[in-house]
Amino acid sequence: DAGVIQSPRHEVTEMGQEVTLRCKPISGHNSLFWYRQTMMRGLELLIYFNNNVPIDDSGMPEDRFSAKMPNASFSTLKIQPSEPRDSAVYFCASSARLEGNEQYFGPGTRLTVT
Amino acid sequence: QQPVQSPQAVILREGEDAVINCSSSKALYSVHWYRQKHGEAPVFLMILLKGGEQKGHDKISASFNEKKQQSSLYLTASQLSYSGTYFCGTQGGTTSGTYKYIFGTGTRLKVLA
Repeated sequence: DAGVIQSPRHEVTEMGQEVTLRCKPISGHNSLFWYRQTMMRGLELLIYFNNNVPIDDSGMPEDRFSAKMPNASFSTLKIQPSEPRDSAVYFCASSARLEGNEQYFGPGTRLTVT
Repeated sequence: QQPVQSPQAVILREGEDAVINCSSSKALYSVHWYRQKHGEAPVFLMILLKGGEQKGHDKISASFNEKKQQSSLYLTASQLSYSGTYFCGTQGGTTSGTYKYIFGTGTRLKVLA
């Protein structure tokens, strides 16, 4: 059974460019989470969806960040324009339901903005 | 708002025990524990729901004190494979009815042979 799939695994881009991160949750899971991890700030929840609907995006740092979930098997996190301070590992996680369920993390996308 | 974990770091010899604490300033619905090895994604260990329950998984167990808004992770007879960073993830209700999910500050644990 495939776990959470993220692509790309590594992304290096120049400041000002648009970056799109992709996530395929585990089949049958209803909730999807986007996290960002840095040494300075730890693991931060950016946004989460339940049944493809964004529930809480209060963790999205700025308007440069946007996330979509057009269907139950696909989500994107977009940064436009990117800045060096966006450099981090971005994780996608999914769970069977929103409350009281374990989250399964994807391998992450390491983003470097130069 | 981020749950505070203690200690921040701990070094053990194989076979020794450790306790990692997670304390929140908010009322909690559930507490999750994860372990993350360097360069990898966090991996789920266990979940505790409100009600003061305690769970165990091999030689790793945890407790959740809902009233004190605290959880503790107990590592017994530690093994080299236990090395990594441990995170608690807390889930609490919000005024809007959503469930805010926040990870703790993390505890780096290293087990030496």
